[in-house]
Amino acid sequence: DIQMTQSPSSLSASVGDRVTITCRASQGISNYLAWFQQKPGKAPKSLIYAASSLQSGVPSKFSGSGSGTDFTLTISSLQPEDFATYYCQQYNSYPHTFGQGTKLEIK
Amino acid sequence: QLQLQESGPGLVKPSETLSLTCTVSGGSISSSSYYWGWIRQPPGKGLEWIGSIYYSGSTYYNPSLKSRVTISVDTSKNQFSLKLSSVTAADTAVYYCARRPRYSGYNLAIDYWGQGTLVTVSS
Repeated sequence: DIQMTQSPSSLSASVGDRVTITCRASQGISNYLAWFQQKPGKAPKSLIYAASSLQSGVPSKFSGSGSGTDFTLTISSLQPEDFATYYCQQYNSYPHTFGQGTKLEIK
Repeated sequence: QLQLQESGPGLVKPSETLSLTCTVSGGSISSSSYYWGWIRQPPGKGLEWIGSIYYSGSTYYNPSLKSRVTISVDTSKNQFSLKLSSVTAADTAVYYCARRPRYSGYNLAIDYWGQGTLVTVSS
Protein backbone atom coordinates (compact mmCIF):
# COMPACT_ATOMS: atom_id res chain seq x y z
CA ASP A 1 0.00 0.00 0.00
CA ILE A 2 1.06 3.59 -0.61
CA GLN A 3 1.38 5.53 2.65
CA MET A 4 0.27 9.16 2.69
CA THR A 5 1.77 11.41 5.35
CA GLN A 6 0.42 14.88 6.01
CA SER A 7 2.17 17.65 7.88
CA PRO A 8 1.51 19.28 10.15
CA SER A 9 -1.12 17.20 11.96
CA SER A 10 -2.57 20.40 13.37
CA LEU A 11 -2.15 24.04 12.56
CA SER A 12 -3.28 27.26 14.23
CA ALA A 13 -3.86 30.31 12.10
CA SER A 14 -5.73 33.61 12.13
CA VAL A 15 -8.47 34.93 9.89
CA GLY A 16 -6.80 36.47 6.84
CA ASP A 17 -3.73 34.25 6.99
CA ARG A 18 -2.40 32.08 4.19
CA VAL A 19 -1.56 28.49 5.14
CA THR A 20 0.06 25.52 3.43
CA ILE A 21 -0.46 21.83 4.20
CA THR A 22 1.90 19.19 2.89
CA CYS A 23 1.17 15.63 1.80
CA ARG A 24 3.91 13.12 1.00
CA ALA A 25 3.44 9.77 -0.71
CA SER A 26 5.64 6.77 0.11
CA GLN A 27 6.14 6.21 -3.61
CA GLY A 28 5.47 8.17 -6.77
CA ILE A 29 1.83 8.73 -7.66
CA SER A 30 2.22 11.13 -10.61
CA ASN A 31 -0.55 13.69 -9.99
CA TYR A 32 -3.26 11.28 -8.82
CA LEU A 33 -3.83 13.26 -5.66
CA ALA A 34 -7.03 14.73 -4.20
CA TRP A 35 -7.76 17.05 -1.29
CA PHE A 36 -10.89 17.04 0.88
CA GLN A 37 -12.24 19.35 3.57
CA GLN A 38 -14.24 17.98 6.49
CA LYS A 39 -16.10 19.91 9.16
CA PRO A 40 -17.23 18.31 12.44
CA GLY A 41 -20.19 16.00 11.99
CA LYS A 42 -20.25 16.48 8.23
CA ALA A 43 -19.24 14.45 5.20
CA PRO A 44 -16.00 15.37 3.48
CA LYS A 45 -16.20 17.91 0.69
CA SER A 46 -14.15 17.44 -2.45
CA LEU A 47 -11.81 20.37 -3.13
CA ILE A 48 -9.08 19.39 -5.57
CA TYR A 49 -8.34 16.56 -8.00
CA ALA A 50 -5.32 15.79 -10.17
CA ALA A 51 -3.19 17.59 -7.57
CA SER A 52 -4.08 21.08 -8.76
CA SER A 53 -7.53 21.16 -10.42
CA LEU A 54 -10.41 22.67 -8.48
CA GLN A 55 -13.65 20.76 -8.21
CA SER A 56 -16.67 22.61 -9.54
CA GLY A 57 -17.79 25.39 -7.23
CA VAL A 58 -14.65 25.46 -5.10
CA PRO A 59 -13.31 28.99 -4.64
CA SER A 60 -9.93 29.92 -6.07
CA LYS A 61 -8.58 30.66 -2.59
CA PHE A 62 -7.80 26.93 -2.54
CA SER A 63 -4.87 25.82 -4.64
CA GLY A 64 -2.89 22.62 -4.96
CA SER A 65 0.45 21.73 -6.42
CA GLY A 66 2.93 18.92 -6.70
CA SER A 67 3.70 15.75 -8.56
CA GLY A 68 5.44 12.49 -7.82
CA THR A 69 5.68 12.21 -4.04
CA ASP A 70 5.32 15.75 -2.66
CA PHE A 71 2.16 17.82 -2.73
CA THR A 72 0.79 20.95 -1.10
CA LEU A 73 -2.59 22.50 -0.43
CA THR A 74 -2.58 26.27 0.07
CA ILE A 75 -5.48 28.25 1.43
CA SER A 76 -5.28 32.00 1.11
CA SER A 77 -7.09 34.67 3.08
CA LEU A 78 -8.52 32.31 5.70
CA GLN A 79 -12.12 32.86 6.67
CA PRO A 80 -13.98 31.35 9.64
CA GLU A 81 -15.63 28.73 7.40
CA ASP A 82 -12.21 27.41 6.30
CA PHE A 83 -11.32 26.09 9.73
CA ALA A 84 -11.75 22.35 9.36
CA THR A 85 -9.79 19.14 8.88
CA TYR A 86 -8.13 18.54 5.52
CA TYR A 87 -7.27 15.15 4.03
CA CYS A 88 -5.23 14.15 1.00
CA GLN A 89 -5.90 10.92 -0.90
CA GLN A 90 -3.91 9.13 -3.57
CA TYR A 91 -5.85 7.32 -6.27
CA ASN A 92 -2.93 6.21 -8.40
CA SER A 93 -3.15 2.61 -7.19
CA TYR A 94 -5.41 0.46 -5.04
CA PRO A 95 -6.11 0.77 -2.17
CA HIS A 96 -6.78 4.49 -2.49
CA THR A 97 -5.20 5.63 0.76
CA PHE A 98 -5.80 8.82 2.72
CA GLY A 99 -3.45 10.93 4.76
CA GLN A 100 -4.10 11.10 8.50
CA GLY A 101 -5.57 14.59 8.25
CA THR A 102 -4.54 18.12 9.20
CA LYS A 103 -6.73 20.01 11.64
CA LEU A 104 -6.76 23.73 10.93
CA GLU A 105 -7.78 25.71 14.00
CA ILE A 106 -8.38 29.36 14.72
CA LYS A 107 -5.59 31.05 16.65
CA GLN B 1 -28.24 17.58 -8.63
CA LEU B 2 -26.70 14.23 -7.74
CA GLN B 3 -27.45 12.90 -4.28
CA LEU B 4 -26.17 9.82 -2.50
CA GLN B 5 -27.95 8.49 0.58
CA GLU B 6 -26.71 5.69 2.83
CA SER B 7 -29.18 3.48 4.66
CA GLY B 8 -29.04 0.44 6.89
CA PRO B 9 -29.00 -0.68 10.52
CA GLY B 10 -27.25 1.61 12.96
CA LEU B 11 -26.45 -1.23 15.35
CA VAL B 12 -24.89 -4.58 14.46
CA LYS B 13 -23.89 -7.37 16.83
CA PRO B 14 -20.31 -8.67 16.92
CA SER B 15 -19.62 -11.53 14.47
CA GLU B 16 -22.64 -10.58 12.35
CA THR B 17 -22.70 -8.96 8.90
CA LEU B 18 -22.97 -5.21 8.39
CA SER B 19 -25.14 -4.33 5.40
CA LEU B 20 -25.52 -0.84 3.95
CA THR B 21 -27.12 0.51 0.79
CA CYS B 22 -26.37 3.72 -1.07
CA THR B 23 -29.24 5.10 -3.14
CA VAL B 24 -28.25 7.35 -6.01
CA SER B 25 -30.67 10.04 -7.18
CA GLY B 26 -30.22 12.63 -9.90
CA GLY B 27 -28.03 10.33 -11.96
CA SER B 28 -27.77 6.78 -13.29
CA ILE B 29 -25.62 4.21 -11.57
CA SER B 30 -25.50 2.31 -14.87
CA SER B 31 -23.38 4.97 -16.51
CA SER B 32 -19.98 3.82 -17.73
CA SER B 33 -18.57 7.10 -16.51
CA TYR B 34 -18.37 6.42 -12.79
CA TYR B 35 -16.98 4.27 -10.01
CA TRP B 36 -19.07 3.93 -6.84
CA GLY B 37 -17.34 3.41 -3.54
CA TRP B 38 -17.38 3.17 0.24
CA ILE B 39 -15.19 4.98 2.78
CA ARG B 40 -15.42 4.78 6.55
CA GLN B 41 -14.32 6.88 9.51
CA PRO B 42 -14.10 5.53 13.07
CA PRO B 43 -15.19 8.06 15.71
CA GLY B 44 -12.53 10.73 16.12
CA LYS B 45 -10.23 9.18 13.53
CA GLY B 46 -9.31 9.54 9.86
CA LEU B 47 -10.76 8.23 6.62
CA GLU B 48 -10.29 4.66 5.39
CA TRP B 49 -11.03 3.60 1.81
CA ILE B 50 -13.01 0.34 1.80
CA GLY B 51 -13.53 -0.35 -1.88
CA SER B 52 -15.32 0.54 -5.08
CA ILE B 53 -17.30 -0.96 -7.94
CA TYR B 54 -17.75 -0.16 -11.59
CA TYR B 55 -21.19 -0.46 -13.20
CA SER B 56 -20.03 -3.62 -15.02
CA GLY B 57 -19.49 -5.30 -11.64
CA SER B 58 -15.71 -5.01 -11.43
CA THR B 59 -14.71 -4.54 -7.82
CA TYR B 60 -11.66 -3.17 -6.02
CA TYR B 61 -11.19 -3.79 -2.30
CA ASN B 62 -8.83 -2.67 0.42
CA PRO B 63 -6.61 -5.71 1.12
CA SER B 64 -6.98 -5.09 4.85
CA LEU B 65 -10.72 -5.83 4.54
CA LYS B 66 -10.87 -7.90 1.39
CA SER B 67 -11.69 -11.22 3.04
CA ARG B 68 -14.75 -9.70 4.68
CA VAL B 69 -16.05 -7.16 2.13
CA THR B 70 -18.49 -7.45 -0.73
CA ILE B 71 -19.66 -4.47 -2.81
CA SER B 72 -22.43 -4.98 -5.34
CA VAL B 73 -24.62 -2.94 -7.68
CA ASP B 74 -28.37 -3.12 -8.26
CA THR B 75 -28.97 -1.14 -11.43
CA SER B 76 -32.73 -1.73 -11.31
CA LYS B 77 -32.91 0.20 -8.04
CA ASN B 78 -30.07 2.65 -8.82
CA GLN B 79 -28.30 1.46 -5.68
CA PHE B 80 -25.05 -0.09 -4.63
CA SER B 81 -24.38 -1.98 -1.43
CA LEU B 82 -21.72 -2.86 1.11
CA LYS B 83 -21.54 -6.05 3.13
CA LEU B 84 -18.89 -6.48 5.82
CA SER B 85 -18.87 -9.84 7.57
CA SER B 86 -17.65 -10.96 10.99
CA VAL B 87 -17.71 -7.46 12.42
CA THR B 88 -16.04 -6.42 15.65
CA ALA B 89 -16.03 -3.22 17.67
CA ALA B 90 -13.18 -2.01 15.44
CA ASP B 91 -15.68 -1.75 12.57
CA THR B 92 -17.68 0.90 14.43
CA ALA B 93 -17.55 3.94 12.16
CA VAL B 94 -19.40 6.43 10.03
CA TYR B 95 -19.73 4.83 6.60
CA TYR B 96 -19.83 7.07 3.52
CA CYS B 97 -20.70 6.22 -0.05
CA ALA B 98 -19.11 8.25 -2.82
CA ARG B 99 -18.79 8.66 -6.57
CA ARG B 100 -15.62 8.93 -8.64
CA PRO B 101 -15.88 9.91 -12.31
CA ARG B 102 -14.12 7.83 -14.95
CA TYR B 103 -13.43 9.47 -18.29
CA SER B 104 -10.76 8.12 -20.60
CA GLY B 105 -7.72 10.37 -20.57
CA TYR B 106 -8.86 12.30 -17.52
CA ASN B 107 -7.49 12.02 -13.98
CA LEU B 108 -10.55 12.44 -11.76
CA ALA B 109 -11.14 11.94 -8.03
CA ILE B 110 -14.18 11.53 -5.78
CA ASP B 111 -16.57 14.38 -6.45
CA TYR B 112 -19.74 13.50 -4.55
CA TRP B 113 -20.21 12.04 -1.05
CA GLY B 114 -23.23 10.79 0.85
CA GLN B 115 -23.95 12.32 4.23
CA GLY B 116 -22.70 9.23 6.06
CA THR B 117 -24.31 6.79 8.46
CA LEU B 118 -23.00 5.71 11.85
CA VAL B 119 -22.81 1.98 12.41
CA THR B 120 -22.07 0.77 15.92
CA VAL B 121 -20.94 -2.78 16.57
CA SER B 122 -22.09 -3.84 20.02
CA SER B 123 -23.97 -6.63 21.70
